[in-house]
Amino acid sequence: AQKITQTQPGMFVQEKEAVTLDCTYDTSDQSYGLFWYKQPSSGEMIFLIYQGSYDEQNATEGRYSLNFQKARKSANLVISASQLGDSAMYFCAMREGSKAAGNKLTFGGGTRVLVKP
Amino acid sequence: KAGVTQTPRYLIKTRGQQVTLSCSPISGHRSVSWYQQTPGQGLQFLFEYFSETQRNKGNFPGRFSGRQFSNSRSEMNVSTLELGDSALYLCASSLRPGGTGAQSYTFGSGTRLTVV
Repeated sequence: AQKITQTQPGMFVQEKEAVTLDCTYDTSDQSYGLFWYKQPSSGEMIFLIYQGSYDEQNATEGRYSLNFQKARKSANLVISASQLGDSAMYFCAMREGSKAAGNKLTFGGGTRVLVKP
Repeated sequence: KAGVTQTPRYLIKTRGQQVTLSCSPISGHRSVSWYQQTPGQGLQFLFEYFSETQRNKGNFPGRFSGRQFSNSRSEMNVSTLELGDSALYLCASSLRPGGTGAQSYTFGSGTRLTVV
């Protein structure tokens, strides 16, 4: 069965500094996708970045980059130059690539980030 | 273009009652998935619908059900509500189910259900 582990329940980061959020996953599938989402207090899940299991390059989207280490089954999110608006919950999620899996996402427990001015 | 719309935004129900939540996906999106988010269990997959058919189901009791209409709008129903059903219910829409690729899902803002 799939499993996503986020070991950091919460962390503080100074404004303008970089922060790394840890995510490890467990799957027996060769084909899968990894996602990071941001959830502000409003509740909406905001897509940040995606990494496919066959992608050789680490994904980047603006200030977000994904440090993908396939052999270690880790997919850490790096946020550069933190802003006050980055304060939120962050979730790592995985979707297996099989048709049977459909669009089911398995989520980690989340990391709460608080950016200090 | 309009995002994913979930109604109502907030709901308070009494134990034993039933509730229906609605999700209107992004125009053109035909797949809708539902998730339950609680402080204790985190985010858990409920079910997924595509072309009016349930394609996938999570590990929830039969009190949780859903359906999808021909316009891709989806509803989920919870019967005989229990206190533990208090949660944020999120739906996500996407073009189609399955496969790899950067097919991101667009989530709604959720319906916060409180059972008293």
